[in-house]
Amino acid sequence: AQSVTQLGSHVSVSEGALVLLRCNYSSSVPPYLFWYVQYPNQGLQLLLKYTSAATLVKGINGFEAEFKKSETSFHLTKPSAHMSDAAEYFCAVLEGSGNTGKLIFGQGTTLQVKP
Amino acid sequence: NAGVTQTPKFRVLKTGQSMTLLCAQDMNHEYMYWYRQDPGMGLRLIHYSVGEGTTAKGEVPDGYNVSRLKKQNFLLGLESAAPSQTSVYFCASSYGERPESDTQYFGPGTRLTVL
Repeated sequence: AQSVTQLGSHVSVSEGALVLLRCNYSSSVPPYLFWYVQYPNQGLQLLLKYTSAATLVKGINGFEAEFKKSETSFHLTKPSAHMSDAAEYFCAVLEGSGNTGKLIFGQGTTLQVKP
Repeated sequence: NAGVTQTPKFRVLKTGQSMTLLCAQDMNHEYMYWYRQDPGMGLRLIHYSVGEGTTAKGEVPDGYNVSRLKKQNFLLGLESAAPSQTSVYFCASSYGERPESDTQYFGPGTRLTVL
């Protein structure tokens, strides 16, 4: 069975600092992995996804994530945080064979950006 | 395109009351999903549908029913609301052509309180 663990429910960085949000997964099959972002009082939107092509995936708003099979990780990074990056971030893994598109989400990490 | 819309945005119910949440999408998506979001628990799948006239149970289906009579609409019903169903409910949809890697598009959410 697939599962996702996000390390750290809250992460605080200064504006301009590196953003690192951690995600580890468990999967019995080659995983499909996603990062979604939720801005306050809004629904989720896709940041990026790994679908077994390049291990370094670039997404929107300057974010990227690297798939590391040996570490079962898919950490999200951004070189320089902006105030507008303050949001909740969710890592997700595709469940099962994938023909239903069902996602299993992590608990979420709230990113705070300090001026 | 309006994308994914949800009605209502807010609702307060008393224990035992019933209600229906409506999700509508104008993107001609095949797949639709209902999630609930609770603090510290991420998003959990309630029910989903892989096409008009089909529904299936997700991770937390108890106390909820769904219907997909029209491709563009996905209804979530609470027959007898309980305080444990206080949550934020999100609807999502996806094309379904490549469900393993499709992006899910989320609605803005419905905040439900059960007293």
